[in-house]
Amino acid sequence: DGGITQSPKYLFRKEGQNVTLSCEQNLNHDAMYWYRQDPGQGLRLIYYSQIVNDFQKGDIAEGYSVSREKKESFPLTVTSAQKNPTAFYLCASSIYRLNQPQHFGDGTRLSIL
Amino acid sequence: QKEVEQDPGPLSVPEGAIVSLNCTYSNSAFQYFMWYRQYSRKGPELLMYTYSSGNKEDGRFTAQVDKSSKYISLFIRDSQPSDSATYLCATWMDSSYKLIFGSGTRLLVRP
Repeated sequence: DGGITQSPKYLFRKEGQNVTLSCEQNLNHDAMYWYRQDPGQGLRLIYYSQIVNDFQKGDIAEGYSVSREKKESFPLTVTSAQKNPTAFYLCASSIYRLNQPQHFGDGTRLSIL
Repeated sequence: QKEVEQDPGPLSVPEGAIVSLNCTYSNSAFQYFMWYRQYSRKGPELLMYTYSSGNKEDGRFTAQVDKSSKYISLFIRDSQPSDSATYLCATWMDSSYKLIFGSGTRLLVRP
């Protein structure tokens, strides 16, 4: 079955630590996205990538970094510069054409120790 | 003013009721609209995708867009307890890859 796999499901971060969230898709989608979801705020775009080796900042990129070395993979690193990292992180992908709906993974919940 | 507004709920209805979920948006350039369903601790799942004005039906779900009043709706007929979830509306402008989401409405269908 095609889909988007996010791991781990739960992650804990210590102060001053960088952590990396994994996102893998086997839908053969070109475009991939990272969102942050906080209670009552909907989804906010962190980074997106339309093709391999290229990515753009979204609305709340500060304190985060990404890479896109393979079409199937778009890992997100939450750095120590992100002062409020506790949230639900969602990865999505879509066909690289305008107005194509995005499909989501089941998320990673990140908490501070 | 947020670009897409949604009442957060919760909306509580008895099983079998017709549910109406709504969003308003501010930018008349928005043309494509989607509804996602999100169960607790899960990712959003695409339910409906519509373009411009009019209705689209899929089983018990009907999506309606009224561009003149910048209002989009999702109707659920014969609601079931399994419909209990958060419903998110989303849109983006033509020529943009960025999705804009409402904050979601939490629905509870009581058995």
